[in-house]
Amino acid sequence: EPEVTQTPSHQVTQMGQEVILRCVPISNHLYFYWYRQILGQKVEFLVSFYNNEISEKSEIFDDQFSVERPDGSNFTLKIRSTKLEDSAMYFCASSSQGSSIQPQHFGDGTRLSIL
Amino acid sequence: DAKTTQPNSMESNEEEPVHLPCNHSTISGTDYIHWYRQLPSQGPEYVIHGLTSNVNNRMASLAIAEDRKSSTLILHRATLRDAAVYYCILRVSGSRLTFGEGTQLTVNP
Repeated sequence: EPEVTQTPSHQVTQMGQEVILRCVPISNHLYFYWYRQILGQKVEFLVSFYNNEISEKSEIFDDQFSVERPDGSNFTLKIRSTKLEDSAMYFCASSSQGSSIQPQHFGDGTRLSIL
Repeated sequence: DAKTTQPNSMESNEEEPVHLPCNHSTISGTDYIHWYRQLPSQGPEYVIHGLTSNVNNRMASLAIAEDRKSSTLILHRATLRDAAVYYCILRVSGSRLTFGEGTQLTVNP
C-alpha cells in the first residue's frame, strides 16, 4: 500500500539554525499538509498546500515557517530560525482531494529536537 | 469544526469487541464524522468516516445515532495492535483536521 515517507526520522538542531523537514507524499495525491505534535499534547494543524499555494494555515504557521514543493515528488517544511518551543514531532500528510470526505494519509513523522 | 467529546481512556481484552463512543451534540448537517487512530510512535492513521448511515470497512464499523449527536467506533475483535489513541473528528471543510485529546485504548492480552 502506498505511504507517505518523511526524512529524517530525527533531527537535532541548535536554536537559531534553519531546518528543513522533507516529505514524499503518495504519488497521485494533490493536497499536502503539515501537522505538529509537541510531546504529550494534541496533534495541531500547521498548513495545507495545493496547486503550489498555501490554501490554509493556522496561527502557529508564522513567518518563521515556509513550505515548498521543489519538484514533483517532495514537499518540504522549512523553519527559518528555530526556537526551543519548535521541538516537536512534525507529521506530513497527503490526500487525493481536498473534500471533507477524503482521508488524509500521514507519515510517521520527524522528531525535531532544538538544543 | 464542531466539538467532540470522548472518554480519556478505555480498556478491552484481546479478541473481544470494543465500542468507542463519541458525543458531538453541536454537529451540523454537513459535518462528516471521521475516526483516526495514532499508534505509539506513529503518525495518525485514517480508520473510517460516515455522514448519516452506519459504515463498515476492513478495519472497523461506525455506528451513527439517528439524530447524529453521537457515534460509536466498533472494533469487532480487538488485537494488541489496536492499542492506540482514537480520535473522533468532525469535518465540514476539506482542509484541516482538528484533533482533540482522543481516547487511549488499552488492549489486555
